[in-house]
Amino acid sequence: NAGVMQNPRHLVRRRGQEARLRCSPMKGHSHVYWYRQLPEEGLKFMVYLQKENIIDESGMPKERFSAEFPKEGPSILRIQQVVRGDSAAYFCASSGLAGGDTQYFGPGTRLTVL
Amino acid sequence: LAKTTQPISMDSYEGQEVNITCSHNNIATNDYITWYQQFPSQGPRFIIQGYKTKVTNEVASLFIPADRKSSTLSLPRVSLSDTAVYYCLVAPSNAGNMLTFGGGTRLMVKP
Repeated sequence: NAGVMQNPRHLVRRRGQEARLRCSPMKGHSHVYWYRQLPEEGLKFMVYLQKENIIDESGMPKERFSAEFPKEGPSILRIQQVVRGDSAAYFCASSGLAGGDTQYFGPGTRLTVL
Repeated sequence: LAKTTQPISMDSYEGQEVNITCSHNNIATNDYITWYQQFPSQGPRFIIQGYKTKVTNEVASLFIPADRKSSTLSLPRVSLSDTAVYYCLVAPSNAGNMLTFGGGTRLMVKP
């Protein structure tokens, strides 16, 4: 049973470029969550999606960041016009149920902005 | 969401039992307690979850007193590979599963 998959594992972008991070949830899971982790800190919630719907984006910066989880294919976190402060590890988690089910995390994408 | 407090760091030696306590004084009736383990450059890994009393699995035990204002993660006979950051999380079962991670406890296991 494959776990949560994320790609790329490492992504280097120059300031002003776009970053696209992909997340494939565990088989049978329809709920996806994105978190960001800065060095030496805990994870911070960004957005919670179900298929074709954004349920909670309260942790997402208002500008430059967007997320989607289409009917077919992986969930994508998109960061436009990246800045150095966007450098972080971005983790995706998935769960099978909205209420009380365990979230399983992927290996993360480490974004470095030059 | 209930706030959690846990020690910043702990040291132990191989073969010892390690107990990490987490305080969550404002835990709500429908909150569950979940512990995750995170190694450097990896995503958090689910360890154990409980609501009350004691839960045990092949990796750890979780002790929750009757008032549920704290919980203790117990790792039996730790090895060097248990060196990691351990996060205690408290979240309601129907909150859309937004997990709030604190700073965690950095466990260092020494030979």
